[in-house]
Amino acid sequence: AQKITQTQPGMFVQEKEAVTLDCTYDTSDPSYGLFWYKQPSSGEMIFLIYQGSYDQQNATEGRYSLNFQKARKSANLVISASQLGDSAMYFCAMRETIGGKLIFGQGTELSVKP
Amino acid sequence: DGGITQSPKYLFRKEGQNVTLSCEQNLNHDAMYWYRQDPGQGLRLIYYSQIVNDFQKGDIAEGYSVSREKKESFPLTVTSAQKNPTAFYLCASSIVGTPYGYTFGSGTRLTVV
Repeated sequence: AQKITQTQPGMFVQEKEAVTLDCTYDTSDPSYGLFWYKQPSSGEMIFLIYQGSYDQQNATEGRYSLNFQKARKSANLVISASQLGDSAMYFCAMRETIGGKLIFGQGTELSVKP
Repeated sequence: DGGITQSPKYLFRKEGQNVTLSCEQNLNHDAMYWYRQDPGQGLRLIYYSQIVNDFQKGDIAEGYSVSREKKESFPLTVTSAQKNPTAFYLCASSIVGTPYGYTFGSGTRLTVV
């Protein structure tokens, strides 16, 4: 069965510094997608970045990059040059291509300090 | 603009009452999903539907019911059998058969009073 694990309930980072949020996953499906979502206090889920299991290169979207290590089954999110507006909950999620259900980790609450 | 609309944003329910949460999408997505989120926790799947007039239970379906009579609509009923319904409920939709992610609504916060 597929599973997502985020081991950091809370993280602090200084403004303008980089931060890495950890995510490990487990699946027996060779084809899957990995996602990171941001959830501010308003509750909406904001899509940040996507990595396909067959993608050769790590995904990047602006200040977000995904450090994909397939053999270790990890998909860490790196946020560069943190901003105060980055303070939020961050969720790692996985979707198997067949079946299509998106499952989520427990989340990491990121606080950016000025 | 295409998107998902959830209503109402806040909902209060007395114990023993059923209540229905609305979810409508105009993205022409085949699949729709309902998630529950408790404070400080991740999202847990309640029900999902990949085609009209068909739906499947997720991980925590007990005390909930759904219908999918139209492609655009996937309402969730929280019944009196749900012992702890106070939570944040998120609806989402997606294209079936692709690895891409979901589009989420803005959520409904349900409180039992």
